[in-house]
Amino acid sequence: QVQLVETGGGVVQPGGSLRLSCAGSGFTFSRYGIHWVRQAAGKGLEWLSFIRYDGNDVYAVSVRGRFSVSRDNSENTVSLQMNNLRAEDTAVYYCGKDDAYHMDVWGKGTTVTVSS
Amino acid sequence: QTVVTQEPSFSVSPGGTVTLTCGLNSDSVSTNYHPSWYQQTPGQAPRTLIYNTNVRSSGVPDRFSGSILGDKAALTITGARADDESDYYCALYMGGDIWLFGTGTKVTVL
Repeated sequence: QVQLVETGGGVVQPGGSLRLSCAGSGFTFSRYGIHWVRQAAGKGLEWLSFIRYDGNDVYAVSVRGRFSVSRDNSENTVSLQMNNLRAEDTAVYYCGKDDAYHMDVWGKGTTVTVSS
Repeated sequence: QTVVTQEPSFSVSPGGTVTLTCGLNSDSVSTNYHPSWYQQTPGQAPRTLIYNTNVRSSGVPDRFSGSILGDKAALTITGARADDESDYYCALYMGGDIWLFGTGTKVTVL
């Protein structure tokens, strides 16, 4: 079945970096864009980034310049590199498969905690 | 700053009908924004309900329907059940490969 699995979450100090991965299976990964969405505890969903099937990427203002996304279609993975992390980046991070202008499949999420 | 607004909360009786809305502070929501709707229960990943305004995602019961009502996107739950008690988020495509989520609505069934 179509599946996305996020990995790479953990605890990192303010100013540090972390790299998340999103592995896809059950579909032709190279044909689809992938979103990154996060949710801080008790808060709503926040769209962060989108990488198209061809590798073009776009970011929300809140993370532009600190986060970057890339993809390796040979490994069916998308990575989110997060630099200069702040306490307010603490959240559950989800990846979602794009289809017809929406996220049709979601991973279960990975938790990032930014704390000293 | 563009904000996508939703009602903070709604209460509905079992078997009742509730309509949630999704608006923009800077424009009227139309089908051009490709509104989509997601359901989320605590501790779980979002589940896709509706996309492109009114298309139900695979496996979503027809109790859930999407539309444009006036200048907002809308999600209607007809015949509410206890397991519909969740948070609901809309998302709008803003163009240029950018999306925005709404503020979310907490639906209570009682």
